[in-house]
Amino acid sequence: GQNIDQPTEMTATEGAIVQINCTYQTSGFNGLFWYQQHAGEAPTFLSYNVLDGLEEKGRFSSFLSRSKGYSYLLLKELQMKDSASYLCAVIGAGNNRKLIWGLGTSLAVNP
Amino acid sequence: KAGVTQTPRYLIKTRGQQVTLSCSPISGHRSVSWYQQTPGQGLQFLFEYFSETQRNKGNFPGRFSGRQFSNSRSEMNVSTLELGDSALYLCASSPGDADTQYFGPGTRLTVL
Repeated sequence: GQNIDQPTEMTATEGAIVQINCTYQTSGFNGLFWYQQHAGEAPTFLSYNVLDGLEEKGRFSSFLSRSKGYSYLLLKELQMKDSASYLCAVIGAGNNRKLIWGLGTSLAVNP
Repeated sequence: KAGVTQTPRYLIKTRGQQVTLSCSPISGHRSVSWYQQTPGQGLQFLFEYFSETQRNKGNFPGRFSGRQFSNSRSEMNVSTLELGDSALYLCASSPGDADTQYFGPGTRLTVL
């Protein structure tokens, strides 16, 4: 089967660093996305990884290891506005190219 | 460019009724995907349309259907509504194949 696992909830302090992990088992692999979703709003795109390694974009970085079926999203210098749900999604390969979504990690940033 | 738009934003229906939701993708985007989101289930994939053809389908009953028009606008229909259909329905568009998806604001459907 196809499965994506993320922690359900995480808590961190303003100004700190937090790492949100995502592990996946899918039929083929054609890339991994991270999205941010604030309560009551639509998901917004954060990052896309298709090759192994770290992609840095401002305060946010995303890492991928295809051999381990593993990714993480790293958020630095946390701000209160970073309180949101973070969704990991994987694109399968071949005919099965639809996105497979994790349930999301709800991050609470406390002052 | 204007973003993805969805209408209506909020909808209240009663059991047994049917509903049609509309999605206008970003100009130039040919792929439109539909998702159902509930607190316990996360994002559940309904179907994807590309150039007026259904390209992928999720595991939802036949009461859920959709279509895409030649201008890439898409509609989804839910017939014989059930209480469990209450959810946020999200539409996402992308330029084509396996690309980044951009989401609309969603339609919040409440079934009474």
